[in-house]
Amino acid sequence: GNSVTQMEGPVTLSEEAFLTINCTYTATGYPSLFWYVQYPGEGLQLLLKATKADDKGSNKGFEATYRKETTSFHLEKGSVQVSDSAVYFCALSARFGNEKLTFGTGTRLTIIP
Amino acid sequence: DSGVTQTPKHLITATGQRVTLRCSPRSGDLSVYWYQQSLDQGLQFLIHYYNGEERAKGNILERFSAQQFPDLHSELNLSSLELGDSALYFCASSVTTGPNTEAFFGQGTRLTVV
Repeated sequence: GNSVTQMEGPVTLSEEAFLTINCTYTATGYPSLFWYVQYPGEGLQLLLKATKADDKGSNKGFEATYRKETTSFHLEKGSVQVSDSAVYFCALSARFGNEKLTFGTGTRLTIIP
Repeated sequence: DSGVTQTPKHLITATGQRVTLRCSPRSGDLSVYWYQQSLDQGLQFLIHYYNGEERAKGNILERFSAQQFPDLHSELNLSSLELGDSALYFCASSVTTGPNTEAFFGQGTRLTVV
């Protein structure tokens, strides 16, 4: 079946540091890939997505590139802020007829000033 | 604010009881998804409805059931509750279906079974 493997957390960084959160996937066919973010006490919000190989999703300074050859979708940001502290989830959606999201375990990110 | 409304926000109930969680999707969204978030299982897909019809089932227990009404709101019914059912239950909605469709999540209902 489909699965998402995500970098274990928690991750603690200083403000303005470079961020990478690793995500790899297993899926049949050509899934769409997503990063969702969950701030404390809130639901999940879509951060970015990519729907085909070599697509780059970007939003709020975050980027991730769909790499089919390595089945990866790593999240990066060049300079993190305290407001980026949250839990980040990598997810995939596989095909028509069963469009559920399959999530990774989540990575808790804490940014210290 | 995602536009997806879930009620109640918190629910505390005893083992063996039955509860109903409610979800109002964003205006115009036809798809509703239910997910369970727990510490040991992470985020798990439960069930998907599209325009009133069940589209897909995930790891949903037989004690759990759901439906989507003609006005597109959805309810998740949990019965014979056990301690292990304690979790955060999310509803998400999207305009249509398809793997590229963005899903908008509600703030969740935190269920505590005591």
